[in-house]
Amino acid sequence: GIQVEQSPPDLILQEGANSTLRCNFSDSVNNLQWFHQNPWGQLINLFYIPSGTKQNGRLSATTVATERYSLLYISSSQTTDSGVYFCAAQLNDMRFGAGTRLTVKP
Amino acid sequence: GAGVSQSPSNKVTEKGKDVELRCDPISGHTALYWYRQSLGQGLEFLIYFQGNSAPDKSGLPSDRFSAERTGGSVSTLTIQRTQQEDSAVYLCASSLVASPSAALSGELFFGEGSRLTVL
Repeated sequence: GIQVEQSPPDLILQEGANSTLRCNFSDSVNNLQWFHQNPWGQLINLFYIPSGTKQNGRLSATTVATERYSLLYISSSQTTDSGVYFCAAQLNDMRFGAGTRLTVKP
Repeated sequence: GAGVSQSPSNKVTEKGKDVELRCDPISGHTALYWYRQSLGQGLEFLIYFQGNSAPDKSGLPSDRFSAERTGGSVSTLTIQRTQQEDSAVYLCASSLVASPSAALSGELFFGEGSRLTVL
């Protein structure tokens, strides 16, 4: 299956700071999603973004499919943004990266 | 249903017993996926079903694991002769299609998972 790599593995921010999370994938994809896993383990859909750029409030994402990467931007971070962010990419089955664990301190 | 439903939410079993985990996908979704997440780890792909096609079983870790999807809807993941290393959260997801296009979304939606503890 497709290989998905995320960076950085861990990120600690002060509340109000901005951040960029990166997702690299090993092959052409027809599906790319970003998820946030909250402290209770629930996976929250952030973006369905096989290509292009989308924005939702303080979050935005860009996928450059030809260069095999996607970026998730978090602006003006809040403590509630803490958790693990997963990128998942699909060619046939859907494969997940190892995640970026984000901690936002007050 | 409105979302992906999984049961049981928690299961504690003894080593060597068989367990069945159930997933009811979003109505109309043709693709269904099973993943496993061990504590503090990422999501490990197990198996996926797309319509009436043969399932992709490439992620199943051993022949103790099997899954069925009856009538193109509800799926059951069965683990035989459970081992302690099988302890994990088992997550199910569904999408409208597995091969998305501009017209058909492949967005995955997850259930809340079944937490399995093998003593």
